[in-house]
Amino acid sequence: DAGVIQSPRHEVTEMGQEVTLRCKPISGHDYLFWYRQTMMRGLELLIYFNNNVPIDDSGMPEDRFSAKMPNASFSTLKIQPSEPRDSAVYFCASRRGLSLGGGNTEAFFGQGTRLTVV
Amino acid sequence: AQSVTQLGSHVSVSEGALVLLRCNYSSSVPPYLFWYVQYPNQGLQLLLKYTSAATLVKGINGFEAEFKKSETSFHLTKPSAHMSDAAEYFCAVGGSSSGSARQLTFGSGTQLTVLP
Repeated sequence: DAGVIQSPRHEVTEMGQEVTLRCKPISGHDYLFWYRQTMMRGLELLIYFNNNVPIDDSGMPEDRFSAKMPNASFSTLKIQPSEPRDSAVYFCASRRGLSLGGGNTEAFFGQGTRLTVV
Repeated sequence: AQSVTQLGSHVSVSEGALVLLRCNYSSSVPPYLFWYVQYPNQGLQLLLKYTSAATLVKGINGFEAEFKKSETSFHLTKPSAHMSDAAEYFCAVGGSSSGSARQLTFGSGTQLTVLP
């Protein structure tokens, strides 16, 4: 498997523009996570999906952020309008559901999208 | 509720010296614990995980971690540091029961520098 694939790897945009980040999870994984990483705040969970349904979006910072998962192999994170403080690395991760013995299996991360809003 | 505390945001060791990265956790259910490594401009990569099978867990690249329930700790060690170990390391905790949160909670990370 190619792993979790994110695009683009780098995005530079002007303040006020719409930004769309894309993620293709590993086939067969039914959980998908979006994280944001900054120097100041570290790694923050923004939202996660189970079987394409958003389960917890309490980490989404503002209404300017939205995420969708139209099918099991694709998810987007959209920022509209973007602001300089949104500059960060955004990671997508996926994993299978609970193992037979219960508990979390590990999450597999994409390479991330480095977003710069100027 | 669950949380992770990594003591020391920066750790420096000499090449060949012992690596010790500290992680303490808090969890209301029996925890599942993970260490991830992040190399520059890369995503996070799993080093090892504790899932209650054995308290001493061996991972990739010579790393291991020991789960100590009495100390609520899961420290990461490696007997002899290599230059290629320089990276940022994240400890994470996840719940083990079906009713607990599905996501992992990450610590703030420890940047490991290996000096020649």
